[in-house]
Amino acid sequence: QSALTQPRSVSGSPGQSVTISCTGTSRDIGTYNYISWYQQHPGRAPKLMISDVSKRPSGVPDRFSGSKSGNTASLTISGLQAEDEADYYCCSCSGSYPFVLFGGGTKLTVL
Amino acid sequence: DVQLVESGGGLVQPGGSLRLSCAASGFTFSGHWMHWFRQAPGEGLVWVSRIDKSGTTRNYADSVKGRFTISRDNAKNTLYLQMSSLRAEDTAYYYCARDYYYNQADQWGQGTLVTVSS
Repeated sequence: QSALTQPRSVSGSPGQSVTISCTGTSRDIGTYNYISWYQQHPGRAPKLMISDVSKRPSGVPDRFSGSKSGNTASLTISGLQAEDEADYYCCSCSGSYPFVLFGGGTKLTVL
Repeated sequence: DVQLVESGGGLVQPGGSLRLSCAASGFTFSGHWMHWFRQAPGEGLVWVSRIDKSGTTRNYADSVKGRFTISRDNAKNTLYLQMSSLRAEDTAYYYCARDYYYNQADQWGQGTLVTVSS
């Protein structure tokens, strides 16, 4: 069982928006703003899509956005495209042990 | 371009040892904390270990503490993970990653597969 809770799967049609939630506790997501999201295509390495709750690294489309409310972080993907189909992992990081907590991952299917 | 290339994975018997390497290029290796993560086939991501810029501070997940040792050679731009007393549950793809800020990893290697089986 993962420390952070994500839905096992979400789906949407091309052009639509989807939101993936990531629920933690007041000891992790509720306290720290070092929340990141990773995209992982089958057989590939994870790729950082969002850091610090809502910052997009260079090269990440602005269709990807992140937010946080209380103990829940969210990743929203607007204008879904076929290449967005992948697994997405949320991560709550801090400067103290356990340093990095992951969600169990969400499989996004583009219909 | 930033590159992280892992090597050293393979098949090892339970109780055995293995050393993974991660060759870094395209950035100032000595200027970043580094991490090892792992992912069992079909499973999620798990943090394994981290090391500071100089190699002085090292931290481990409870599941590997006392069995794995992280180290680095800044002159060779290489990160290492020495794994001993390996168990079947250590079977996974192992990824090295560069720390961006507060343990968020912004660059990942392609991974190397470690299989622990008799």
